[in-house]
This record gives sequence, C-alpha cells and structure tokens, in this order.
Amino acid sequence: TQLLEQSPQFLSIQEGENLTVYCNSSSVFSSLQWYRQEPGEGPVLLVTVVTGGEVKKLKRLTFQFGDARKDSSLHITAAQPGDTGLYLCAVYSGNTGKLIFGQGTTLQVKP
Amino acid sequence: EAEVAQSPRYKITEKSQAVAFWCDPISGHATLYWYRQILGQGPELLVQFQDESVVDDSQLPKDRFSAERLKGVDSTLKIQPAELGDSAMYLCASSFSPSYEQYFGPGTRLTVT
Repeated sequence: TQLLEQSPQFLSIQEGENLTVYCNSSSVFSSLQWYRQEPGEGPVLLVTVVTGGEVKKLKRLTFQFGDARKDSSLHITAAQPGDTGLYLCAVYSGNTGKLIFGQGTTLQVKP
Repeated sequence: EAEVAQSPRYKITEKSQAVAFWCDPISGHATLYWYRQILGQGPELLVQFQDESVVDDSQLPKDRFSAERLKGVDSTLKIQPAELGDSAMYLCASSFSPSYEQYFGPGTRLTVT
C-alpha cells in the first residue's frame, strides 16, 4: 500500500490547457514536497508546503496543501511543452531525512 | 552551481555479473542517499549515510547490494550478482544534513540482460 497516492498516473494534453494533479494520503504530514523530474535526470524540488490550507505559486504552477495536511494538489495554467516530465510528491518519514515518494504523475504536453 | 555527480550514466550488464555505481555529493554535504527508481515510479530509498556511517539501510537487499562511503565524501553502490529485476535508475542525492533539501544527481540507468 502506497503512503502517497498520486493521480492521474499519466496525463497527455495540448499546449495551453490547464491541469491539476493530486497527491492523497490517509496520514497527516508536517510538510509535503513537490518535485519535477525530466527524462534522464534526477528530481528537482519545486516547492515545500507546511501549513494546512497553504497556497504557493511558482509562475504558472499553483500548489495547495489540504486543510487537514493529508493531501495536496498541483495546478498548472496554460501548460507548455517544457512542463513535460514526472511530477512527484514526497514527505519525510521520521526524523532521519528519509523521503517517501508517491508513484508520480507523468505529464506530456504536446505542442 | 554545485551538483551531485554520478557515473556511469548508463550501464548494461548481464545477469550474475557485478556492477558498481559512483556518487560524488555536493561539497560540504554530510548526508548522502542512494535511491532506486523503477521506470514510471517514484524513487525508493536504499541506503542513507551520515558522514561515513549508515543511518538507514532497511530497504537495501543486503544479500546482493552493498554501499560504502569510506571517507565520508564520495560513495559507491555495488550489486553482485545482478538480477533482471535490478534494472532501474539508481539516483544519488545529498543534503547539508537530514531534513534539509536533497539535491539529486542525474542517476545511473542500469539495464540487466
């Protein structure tokens, strides 16, 4: 059983469309991170959300942490081909710095 | 900008052979992580070092995998013997200390035939 469930697993859209991906759990977390991973590269941290209900914006990307700190969403406005990649949510497990990742959402944005 | 270096980037090996991966973390980062990522899935921690000591190797298949960070700087992950199911991306990451941001290297793509 996955601690973090991401949906959808795969998304293929046209340039200019909007999209939302989700990261859900039955557990409560003190913080949650979103990463983007391009093909053949390692994940890169996009944002960390720490407060229930928090909304953070990074250019065309909007991240929200659920009020109960059990889930999060990532919304992309006017997607571009450069947004193509694997989007991963992750949380810390314990106090050793160990990250637990969701299975990811693969996004393909076609020109 | 400082980066985590990994080599080789790609490795093809036959099953039952030995294979080794190398990671050089960002200078000054005491914590080093090795993750395994199966295609289309999220990374899974194999082993975590704090300086030269292992902090967590609970998910490391110790019958065939070994990892070391002898001088607390660079690290080597070894598989012997390799199995078909070991085909994956092996990612190294480093951080200043646990719970600080982790910076990932480009990974080593292993294919076992």
